[in-house]
Amino acid sequence: KAGVTQTPRYLIKTRGQQVTLSCSPISGHRSVSWYQQTPGQGLQFLFEYFSETQRNKGNFPGRFSGRQFSNSRSEMNVSTLELGDSALYLCASSSSGPDAYEQYFGPGTRLTVT
Amino acid sequence: AQSVTQLGSHVSVSEGALVLLRCNYSSSVPPYLFWYVQYPNQGLQLLLKYTSAATLVKGINGFEAEFKKSETSFHLTKPSAHMSDAAEYFCAVRYSSASKIIFGSGTRLSIRP
Repeated sequence: KAGVTQTPRYLIKTRGQQVTLSCSPISGHRSVSWYQQTPGQGLQFLFEYFSETQRNKGNFPGRFSGRQFSNSRSEMNVSTLELGDSALYLCASSSSGPDAYEQYFGPGTRLTVT
Repeated sequence: AQSVTQLGSHVSVSEGALVLLRCNYSSSVPPYLFWYVQYPNQGLQLLLKYTSAATLVKGINGFEAEFKKSETSFHLTKPSAHMSDAAEYFCAVRYSSASKIIFGSGTRLSIRP
């Protein structure tokens, strides 16, 4: 089974721009979660989508948004980028079966805002 | 509030020595517990998990962890460290499959030759 894939792997944007990151979960997984990882703040939960609906949300401003499609692929959008948004963005997927509590992570997208 | 505490942001051990990474959670209800490992420029990989079955859990790469309800702890151990174990380790808890995972702040493990 293929793992979680994230595209692109690396991205450089300028302050004020917007960016869209993509995540394809493991086949059959219906839950996708997004995390922001920075050296100063560690791993911070952004949001989780399950069957196209946002199920959980972290404490991030409205500039951070996401969505999930019917094939469970998810996108995350950040508008009006700030320097502090530079981070590794991780996506994780979970199944809906007995192991639904386990999350499998993708390699991440490294976003640099200049 | 539910939380996870990892004691020691950086642990350094000699190759061949015991590895002990500490994790405590705050909850009166035993959660699902996990240890993840992250190598540089990579995502997180699941090392092992506790799901209310056996209290001593064995994972990949020779790691194991013991769930101690009385101490609300889930410490990660490995009898003999290898250079390839150098990485960042995260403890995490989850209270149901519909709740978010709560991660600790991470412990960076260094291995001295």
